[in-house]
Amino acid sequence: AQKVTQAQTEISVVEKEDVTLDCVYETRDTTYYLFWYKQPPSGELVFLIRRNSFDEQNEISGRYSWNFQKSTSSFNFTITASQVVDSAVYFCALSEATPYFNFGNEKLTFGTGTRLTIIP
Amino acid sequence: EAQVTQNPRYLITVTGKKLTVTCSQNMNHEYMSWYRQDPGLGLRQIYYSMNVEVTDKGDVPEGYKVSRKEKRNFPLILESPSPNQTSLYFCASSYNRGGTGELFFGEGSRLTVL
Repeated sequence: AQKVTQAQTEISVVEKEDVTLDCVYETRDTTYYLFWYKQPPSGELVFLIRRNSFDEQNEISGRYSWNFQKSTSSFNFTITASQVVDSAVYFCALSEATPYFNFGNEKLTFGTGTRLTIIP
Repeated sequence: EAQVTQNPRYLITVTGKKLTVTCSQNMNHEYMSWYRQDPGLGLRQIYYSMNVEVTDKGDVPEGYKVSRKEKRNFPLILESPSPNQTSLYFCASSYNRGGTGELFFGEGSRLTVL
C-alpha cells in the first residue's frame, strides 16, 4: 500500500528565512507521480508541482524548489526567502500509475500536511 | 473557464437530515472523485467514478452515497449525517490517464453536522 509521511506538523519561520518541508513516501510501484499542493487559509487546493518517478531532476520555480531523491524516497520542498503569503498548509501526495489504457482509480494518497506560518 | 464547481460551499446541518453536495465539471472528464479532509489525517478518498454509471468505494465510504447519471455531475449524498462527517469535502475530476493524478479540484465544501 502506498503511504505519504509529512513528519512536520507545524513550522514557523521569520519572513525572508528559507524553509524546507519534508515528504517521505512508500510505494511498491516503479512508476508513480509525486505532487505538492498548497492550501491557503481560504481553503482551496492549489497545485504546485507534479513529478514522475523517472525524473529525478530537481525543479526550481521562482522561490520554490523541489528535491526528489528516489534513494531515500523523499520529495522535499524548499521555499527560499519566505514571505507572509506563503503561510498555508502544504500537502505532499502520491499517485501510482496504471498501465496506459488500463483505466482505474486516479487516486491521490495525501500526507497529513504541514502548516507553515511565516512571521512578519 | 475550466472548473469544478461544488455547492454548497458552507453548510451547517443537524444529525439525520439528508443532504446532497453537488459537484459539476465542464471539462468532459471521465473520472470524478470525492475526498474529505480532516485535521491530522490529510485528504482521504470517499468514492470515485471512472465514467457514467461506474462508481466504486474509496478508502472511507461509510455513511456516503454517490451517483453518476451524467458525465458532468457527481453528487455526494449523506443520507443520515452524523457529527463525525463534519469535514471539508473536495470534489475532483480528470481524464482517465492511467494514474497520472492530474486532478482538478473544486474549491471545497465545509460541512458541519450538529
